[in-house]
Amino acid sequence: GDSVTQMEGPVTLSEEACLTINCTYTATGYPSLFWYVQYPGEGLQLLLKATKADDKGSNKGFEATYRKETTSFHLEKGSVQVSDSAVYFCALSPIQGAQKLVFGQGTRLTINP
Amino acid sequence: DAGVIQSPRHEVTEMGQEVTLRCKPISGHNSLFWYRQTMMRGLELLIYFNNNVPIDDSGMPEDRFSAKMPNASFSTLKIQPSEPRDSAVYFCASKKGIYSDTDTQYFGPGTRLTVL
Repeated sequence: GDSVTQMEGPVTLSEEACLTINCTYTATGYPSLFWYVQYPGEGLQLLLKATKADDKGSNKGFEATYRKETTSFHLEKGSVQVSDSAVYFCALSPIQGAQKLVFGQGTRLTINP
Repeated sequence: DAGVIQSPRHEVTEMGQEVTLRCKPISGHNSLFWYRQTMMRGLELLIYFNNNVPIDDSGMPEDRFSAKMPNASFSTLKIQPSEPRDSAVYFCASKKGIYSDTDTQYFGPGTRLTVL
């Protein structure tokens, strides 16, 4: 079945460091891919998405490129801030109207000043 | 836009009691999802509705769990009787399109349930 595997956390970085959170997926066909972020005590918010191969999603300085050949959707940011501390979830939406979002296990990111 | 509204935000109850969680989706959204989040199992989809009709409840853990959507603006998730292992954060999410895999799901703030 469809699945998403994320880099295990927790991840701790210093402010202004570069960030990469790895995400790979297994799916039939070409699903849509998403990154959600969950700040402490809140629900999940969409961070960015890509709906077809080679698309790049971007938002708030974060980027992720849909790589069909490596079935990956790694999240990157060039310079992180303390306010980026949160849990990040990679997810896919299967095609054919299956509706469900399949989530990875989440990666907790802590940025120290 | 008020976003997805959930109530209560926190619920503490004793084992054996009935618990009802409530959700108001974003107006105009046609799909509604209930998720459960725990440290051990992560984020799990329990059930989802399209146009108020339950489509897939395969994630509902047991008969103790039930969900309804009597109209487009309201849904409930009920646990009866509750058990300590039901302690988790329960999220409701809604989505505009029914058959679009590109639409975004919008999540509510969650209900943190503690069963003693």
